[in-house]
Amino acid sequence: EPEVTQTPSHQVTQMGQEVILRCVPISNHLYFYWYRQILGQKVEFLVSFYNNEISEKSEIFDDQFSVERPDGSNFTLKIRSTKLEDSAMYFCASSEDGPYGYTFGSGTRLTVV
Amino acid sequence: AQSVTQLGSHVSVSEGALVLLRCNYSSSVPPYLFWYVQYPNQGLQLLLKYTTGATLVKGINGFEAEFKKSETSFHLTKPSAHMSDAAEYFCAVTRGGSARQLTFGSGTQLTVLP
Repeated sequence: EPEVTQTPSHQVTQMGQEVILRCVPISNHLYFYWYRQILGQKVEFLVSFYNNEISEKSEIFDDQFSVERPDGSNFTLKIRSTKLEDSAMYFCASSEDGPYGYTFGSGTRLTVV
Repeated sequence: AQSVTQLGSHVSVSEGALVLLRCNYSSSVPPYLFWYVQYPNQGLQLLLKYTTGATLVKGINGFEAEFKKSETSFHLTKPSAHMSDAAEYFCAVTRGGSARQLTFGSGTQLTVLP
């Protein structure tokens, strides 16, 4: 069964550093997403991406965040200057069309120290 | 705007007993509803979904859920719990159409007792 692959599974970074979280969506999917889950809290939507541009983003997705699909297979989330409160599990997801066919990756646990 | 409320952050059942996880939603337009399961250190796996049509939907691992518009509910049930069902369960809603982001509930941790 096709999978969404996320790397690394766990990343530790110092406050103020830039991090890039990587995702390989399912190959024929057109819509890509990032969600995050702070420990003990809800899974929250960050951003959706379609046709090489952001289609929706939440209030959380401020200027410190950016997404990119650099090579037609990878989908990345960059946090420019990490804060302690960015510590969370970050999930990538992709879908062929809409939320009905979402597939989530296993997540990257980001720890900011 | 849409929102999801999951009643009970922790639910414990005995093995073989009925599982009932509650989800109520708020949506200004007909919702699309989902249940996801998360096992420790894993991603979110889709259990089942309601978009249109039959209001009783069946999912994987013997789970089912019923969309009740009058009660704005989408409760998840399984007739007989198995130890392997222990996990966290999330209800989610989207308003459909061109909107694709999911709004999740807070989750319910299901413990299955031997």
